Amino acid sequence: GAVVSQHPSWVICKSGTSVKIECRSLDFQATTMFWYRQFPKQSLMLMATSNEGSKATYEQGVEKDKFLINHASLTLSTLTVTSAHPEDSSFYICSARGGGVGYNEQFFGPGTRLTVL
Amino acid sequence: AQKITQTQPGMFVQEKEAVTLDCTYDTSDPSYGLFWYKQPSSGEMIFLIYQGSYDQQNATEGRYSLNFQKARKSANLVISASQLGDSAMYFCAMSSLGGYNKLIFGAGTRLAVHP
Repeated sequence: GAVVSQHPSWVICKSGTSVKIECRSLDFQATTMFWYRQFPKQSLMLMATSNEGSKATYEQGVEKDKFLINHASLTLSTLTVTSAHPEDSSFYICSARGGGVGYNEQFFGPGTRLTVL
Repeated sequence: AQKITQTQPGMFVQEKEAVTLDCTYDTSDPSYGLFWYKQPSSGEMIFLIYQGSYDQQNATEGRYSLNFQKARKSANLVISASQLGDSAMYFCAMSSLGGYNKLIFGAGTRLAVHP
């Protein structure tokens, strides 16, 4: 199957700083990438959908100014958590979908665990 | 709006036995896909099986099979011959076919396999 990487795998930062998380499709072109957030013992919640070269579409309740998403190329999307606070501590997972995938399967990255002190 | 319901927060099964994880869904889309993912403690999402709404036969992938009952809007996952390594969280998810195919996840079921 296709491979999606995320970097970093974990990050600890101070409150008020910004953190950037990268999501890369390694062996296919990702026309669409998705960002999810998962709190402990909870399900994945979709934050936003990004298509290469266009603005991301955010789900209701997600602050677009706080969670900046950039999908500048067909293999890279970035999520920047701006002015992070302890309540932003979570597990962030990206997934990628290629236009040629047979049944619209999404390939998930390994996730990034963010801890804001 | 789409909705996925998993009513079993936790399940346990004896090793080598079969187990069924329940999933019901609600959607007004005529075409949709149903997915099951496994999430071990490491956090990675592992794709298990897929069922398209127009597929006539139930999907199977090795020890995994999906019991798709369209009229009941259910898509239960059956794991046969459980192994200790099957202990994990299991999520049912749905997407519309066409468009951006974003996935909506259920709350998940934690499966514990006992020796």
